[in-house]
Amino acid sequence: GAVVSQHPSWVICKSGTSVKIECRSLDFQATTMFWYRQFPKQSLMLMATSNEGSKATYEQGVEKDKFLINHASLTLSTLTVTSAHPEDSSFYICSARDRLNEAFFGQGTRLTVV
Amino acid sequence: AQRVTQPEKLLSVFKGAPVELKCNYSYSGSPELFWYVQYSRQRLQLLLRHISRESIKGFTADLNKGETSFHLKKPFAQEEDSAMYYCALGSTSYGKLTFGQGTILTVHP
Repeated sequence: GAVVSQHPSWVICKSGTSVKIECRSLDFQATTMFWYRQFPKQSLMLMATSNEGSKATYEQGVEKDKFLINHASLTLSTLTVTSAHPEDSSFYICSARDRLNEAFFGQGTRLTVV
Repeated sequence: AQRVTQPEKLLSVFKGAPVELKCNYSYSGSPELFWYVQYSRQRLQLLLRHISRESIKGFTADLNKGETSFHLKKPFAQEEDSAMYYCALGSTSYGKLTFGQGTILTVHP
């Protein structure tokens, strides 16, 4: 199957700094990617839909200025957590759908803000 | 609004016993239902989708539009089936998925 890769797998940052997470579709082009957030032993919550060449579509309650999404190419979407605070600590997962409409998920990024 | 409910957070069975993970959904359009599995320290991966009507690793799931359910079943559970299972509702038009809360399945030897 198709592969979606996230980088980094884990990151620790100081409160107030910004962190960028990359999501790449390695062997297919994805005009749309999705960013999810997962709390421990809880479900995945969709944060936003990343659209190649246009603005991301955010879910209700997700701060656009806090979670900046850029989808500059058909194989790369980035999520930047700006001015991170401890409450932003979480597991962030991206996914992309291939031409057969099957969703593939990245391995996730564990963000810890100290 | 889309909603997926998995009523059981934890489910424990013994090896060889039948297992059923429940999933109910709420959706005004034509639903696209999936089951995803997440094994320990691995990424989320697709187990099966209702339109395929196939059996993967012995698991099957039938979409019941009348009961708005998509329960996952396996007649004889194996220890390697122990994992987190998510039911998800999708839209072919928009591509995004709405996930249920997940069910942790533990199969005891």
